Amino acid sequence: QQQVKQSPQSLIVQKGGISIINCAYENTAFDYFPWYQQFPGKGPALLIAIRPDVSEKKEGRFTISFNKSAKQFSLHIMDSQPGDSATYFCAASTSGYNNNDMRFGAGTRLTVKP
Amino acid sequence: DAGITQSPRHKVTETGTPVTLRCHQTENHRYMYWYRQDPGHGLRLIHYSYGVKDTDKGEVSDGYSVSRSKTEDFLLTLESATSSQTSVYFCAISPTTDRAFFGQGTRLTVV
Repeated sequence: QQQVKQSPQSLIVQKGGISIINCAYENTAFDYFPWYQQFPGKGPALLIAIRPDVSEKKEGRFTISFNKSAKQFSLHIMDSQPGDSATYFCAASTSGYNNNDMRFGAGTRLTVKP
Repeated sequence: DAGITQSPRHKVTETGTPVTLRCHQTENHRYMYWYRQDPGHGLRLIHYSYGVKDTDKGEVSDGYSVSRSKTEDFLLTLESATSSQTSVYFCAISPTTDRAFFGQGTRLTVV
């Protein structure tokens, strides 16, 4: 079963709008939650990551919100731009990389319309 | 792409044939990974390496083997390719526990 469930599968947002992608996890031992951005024909690239000692992390227009009790975290893209059109993956693991338990969500294809 | 080169970038092979994918890094990072990406599944770890000759299984390791004889090279071998191994394969390297860099991917089709 998928340990990290991501929704929605696809999302269409108007330029300037807010894009919101949600993820839920099952393993309470997970303590590292990254988001990846992937453009067609390219490998995923780390966008932003959070650890459960904080409830929110912001980097530019990208914000992760984290709810430990609900075992959920989400990515908010403010002022969405056509250049943000990509597939986004959430993930979760214990202690980051360098082990074998990183689990990815199925991905969300974001389209930002001009 | 953070000094990662995957080869080949595309390959079509027949069922039952052996296939080897190569990942080469110029960053001298200790940790290297092989993932496969399939629609509806995101990325799933196949094998990873934490040093020369040190490898371990990931989430979906059945039917795959790996080797790492040099720091810079991590090879993924499908001993006898099956149609279920049609996928896009990504190599990744990790300098720290909080960061990983992915290669451009190899699209493998098994017919």
